[in-house]
Formats: sequence, structure tokens, C-alpha cells
Amino acid sequence: DTGVSQDPRHKITKRGQNVTFRCDPISEHNRLYWYRQTLGQGPEFLTYFQNEAQLEKSRLLSDRFSAERPKGSFSTLEIQRTEQGDSAMYLCASTRADGGYTFGSGTRLTVV
Amino acid sequence: SQQGEEDPQALSIQEGENATMNCSYKTSINNLQWYRQNSGRGLVHLILIRSNEREKHSGRLRVTLDTSKKSSSLLITASRAADTASYFCATVRYNNNDMRFGAGTRLTVKP
Repeated sequence: DTGVSQDPRHKITKRGQNVTFRCDPISEHNRLYWYRQTLGQGPEFLTYFQNEAQLEKSRLLSDRFSAERPKGSFSTLEIQRTEQGDSAMYLCASTRADGGYTFGSGTRLTVV
Repeated sequence: SQQGEEDPQALSIQEGENATMNCSYKTSINNLQWYRQNSGRGLVHLILIRSNEREKHSGRLRVTLDTSKKSSSLLITASRAADTASYFCATVRYNNNDMRFGAGTRLTVKP
């Protein structure tokens, strides 16, 4: 593993459609995070997994958002019934305990 | 919600000059981290400083932490055009596992 991989890099979708993003963390990292970043702002925390357990979710994560990390490996973030306000860069990061985070290059979502 | 706040929001300097960016935060922390982000790319971890540390160095980077003032600074010495990027501070609180970012400082280094 050379880093955190995210797929796709870009996604354009029509309002109301569902989208799913994938993150493959560094294999020995047990912690995985999802962040959302809009232009000119810092990343905002969405949710966090330790192994397969989702331990924390932000209030930003409405019921249209769901994240999974089956078997504690890769993770998916799904947005249902997308809205224009969901347009942003979605960043995934992984880490071992109490260390620096390694971020992926992100998935840029555009909702038209 | 954001935790840290960087100051200034934007900084423009000449190559070779030093750049200082500041970060203030609100709650007690376990550690504070600085990240760099080039336009449209992911974040790159620069340095981590723990709450019981006051200063750390890494190459041309120097980070200080004052927990009594809930503030940190990042100094980049002898800046280069390649240092042009956005710099973010991020805090990890005790008994909390998520990291919260500020809005960042946009640094421009002119050749």
C-alpha cells in the first residue's frame, strides 16, 4: 500500500440520484475517517470507523448519508437523493491510533 | 463544526522569506496537527505536536504549541515557490477520536 485510495476521483450526478464513493485505507490502519470539504473551507468531519465499527457520526451526516466499513477494510459512503448542497470534495483518511492521518486525493462530487 | 481558526486567512511573501501562520482552538486537546493542501488535492500531513510538547521541528518547519493560550504557530523558513498551498491546523481532543480542522491559511510564495 502506498496510500489511501478513493474512487471515483470525480462524479457528476443529477439531483435526486444516489451516489456511492469508495475508500481503500492503508491496510495496517484500523481507523478510517470521512470528511467533506467545500471551496475555501477546511475539511468537516462526517464519520469515523475503528475497524468495522462506526463509532461517531457528525450532525452533518443526515439520514440521506450512510457509511459502511464491512470487515474493517474498505469503506463506502452513500448519498441518497442528492441535493445541490451536497456538491463538495469528499475526503477519506486513515490512521493508526494517535498518529498523523493519511488522506486520499478525494472524490469531487458535482450535483447538477 | 470547525475547531481551529487560522490566522491570517491569506499570506503572500517573496521566496526566501519566512512564513508564520497561527492557529487558535477552543477545547482541551490531545494533539494538534498541521496539514498542507495544494489546490484541488488531498491533504498532506506535515507535523504532529502533542499537548505536553511546546515545540517541534521538521526540516524547514517549526511548530509551537501554547496550551494555556490554546494556540499554535507554524513557521516555514526560507520559503520556496513550491510551498504555495493552503495550510490547515487540526486538533484531536482527549477521549475523542475525530480531528477538527480550521478554515486554513492560503500561502502564496512569489518567485
